[in-house]
Amino acid sequence: EVQLVESGGSLVQPGGSLRLSCAAPGFTFSNFWMTWVRQAPGKGLQWVANIKQDGSEKYYADSVKGRFTISRDNAKNSLYLQMDSLRAEDTAVYYCARDRDYYKSIIAYDAFDLWGQGTKVTVSS
Amino acid sequence: AIQMTQSPSSLSASVGDSVTITCRASQGVRRDLGWYQQKAGKAPKLLIYAASTLQSGVPSRFSGSGSGTDFTLTISSLQPEDFATYYCLQDYSYPRTFGPGTKVEVK
Repeated sequence: EVQLVESGGSLVQPGGSLRLSCAAPGFTFSNFWMTWVRQAPGKGLQWVANIKQDGSEKYYADSVKGRFTISRDNAKNSLYLQMDSLRAEDTAVYYCARDRDYYKSIIAYDAFDLWGQGTKVTVSS
Repeated sequence: AIQMTQSPSSLSASVGDSVTITCRASQGVRRDLGWYQQKAGKAPKLLIYAASTLQSGVPSRFSGSGSGTDFTLTISSLQPEDFATYYCLQDYSYPRTFGPGTKVEVK
């Protein structure tokens, strides 16, 4: 079955670290950019980071740059988010999403067409 | 970063109503815009990409339009399963940015 399954969320103290994982069975993981999106309690969606198919390009939201690291292991069909120096404002449900390219004529568009169920991260003392 | 705004922030409607949600970008994003639906406690779902292209499997009562800075999502005949929060997302430049969301509630 084509799906994304996140894991690794938990309660962590401010300043601590956490590593999230996203397993991606059922499709050719290495063909797709992958993305992390988060949602703080009662708030909207926030894009966090994404990574190219071979890991050679990575982009981050300003709010996490220098603290979070996105990575992937194509042999294990897995996406990761290493989160360091965690703050209370990082408390959120973290979703991984597949970033699919769509082509209309010669123009490429992308969109997040497959999402995991989310994993909850709570940063609190 | 490109700022995305949506209006209204919430609306009340009845089954069968037509509703329109507006999304505005702080600078032009061509047609690099998608719409997502999120129900409470669930992951978001892609509805529309490239401003107006319906994702496979999404009912035709959903439609999108616009380019540049102004976009709309229209639900032509609201169904019970459509009560949810809707977000726009620009994928024109980094960082990607979502709109704040529009909650569609039962009147």
